[in-house]
Amino acid sequence: DAGITQSPRYKITETGRQVTLMCHQTWSHSYMFWYRQDLGHGLRLIYYSAAADITDKGEVPDGYVVSRSKTENFPLTLESATRSQTSVYFCASRGRIGLAGGVIQYFGAGTRLSVL
Amino acid sequence: GQQVMQIPQYQHVQEGEDFTTYCNSSTTLSNIQWYKQRPGGHPVFLIQLVKSGEVKKQKRLTFQFGEAKKNSSLHITATQTTDVGTYFCAGSNTGNQFYFGTGTSLTVIP
Repeated sequence: DAGITQSPRYKITETGRQVTLMCHQTWSHSYMFWYRQDLGHGLRLIYYSAAADITDKGEVPDGYVVSRSKTENFPLTLESATRSQTSVYFCASRGRIGLAGGVIQYFGAGTRLSVL
Repeated sequence: GQQVMQIPQYQHVQEGEDFTTYCNSSTTLSNIQWYKQRPGGHPVFLIQLVKSGEVKKQKRLTFQFGEAKKNSSLHITATQTTDVGTYFCAGSNTGNQFYFGTGTSLTVIP
């Protein structure tokens, strides 16, 4: 199906474990983003990518690693999960509204991660 | 760094009452976008404002971009239960990154 999909939708893990959240988009959008959403903080940018093999830090990158070997995939890895990383994670890609419109972000359904 | 503040954080209204959320940036923005997130859902794009003083309407929703391009507002006239959700503004000054506000959670009491 066309669009942006995240997996898993729900994940429970333990402190210290490595966790990878997957994001896949079918639009061939160049830009992709990872956000975390916490009560009182809104959406905070973790990492973004302008194209395959090009990634950059956002506002809260510590404890996270990303890669972009293919345009359509942008996985987010928590190398050693901590309780403070319990959150809802959203992946997004950036595309245009129509042929000459502005760019907007299309969000995946989110991954709810609990670190025990 | 760039900051986008949004108020109020929560708003409860009776169905039929009006609702407004405000967004303020510490820096001048090139454009601002508004998103709506239904409970349990993901943010969905509503609109983009680009010009100084711009006003756009979508049915009962009115969006404004300040003259100095540092603030914006979303006003909903005669709220309905379908308006429930969290409304986010997202400002950009480069086009590459959007800085999201903290969101306003709207509850509509039938």
